[in-house]
Amino acid sequence: AQKVTQAQTEISVVEKEDVTLDCVYETRDTTYYLFWYKQPPSGELVFLIRRNSFDEQNEISGRYSWNFQKSTSSFNFTITASQVVDSAVYFCALSEVSDRDDKIIFGKGTRLHILP
Amino acid sequence: DAGITQSPRHKVTETGTPVTLRCHQTENHRYMYWYRQDPGHGLRLIHYSYGVKDTDKGEVSDGYSVSRSKTEDFLLTLESATSSQTSVYFCAISEDKGNQPQHFGDGTRLSIL
Repeated sequence: AQKVTQAQTEISVVEKEDVTLDCVYETRDTTYYLFWYKQPPSGELVFLIRRNSFDEQNEISGRYSWNFQKSTSSFNFTITASQVVDSAVYFCALSEVSDRDDKIIFGKGTRLHILP
Repeated sequence: DAGITQSPRHKVTETGTPVTLRCHQTENHRYMYWYRQDPGHGLRLIHYSYGVKDTDKGEVSDGYSVSRSKTEDFLLTLESATSSQTSVYFCAISEDKGNQPQHFGDGTRLSIL
């Protein structure tokens, strides 16, 4: 069965520090997709990134970067030079691509506090 | 932003009453989902739809039913609300099955007294 673990329930860092959010997943499928979502204090859920299981290339988008490692079943998210606006709950999610399964499983989220 | 509207945005009701939440999309996406979000549990799937009149259960479907009579509308019904169903409910849509990202509505905060 698929599973997503975000072991860090809550993290606090001072502004401008770098911070990494961990995501570990379990799946028996060879084809799957991983996602990250952001939920700021206003409550909406914002899609950040999708990565498929055949593409282990790391991705960078501005201050955000993602490290996908199949060997450790991890898809970690790093924010460089954090800002107060990065304060949010971040969710990692996994989807197995098969005819039987149309669902995405979410981790329980990591609440990130960026202190000014 | 994806065109997803949830209504109502807030609702307070009493135990035992029926409640219907509506999700309306303007993107013509095939897939629609209902989640609930509770502290310590993240997002849990209630029901989802893969087409008009095609629905399936999610992880926490007991006490909930859904209907999708049109592509753009996905209704979630609590037949007889209980206090354990107090939660924030999110609707999501996606173009295709799980390989596509889901885009979420703004949520409905439901309180069952």
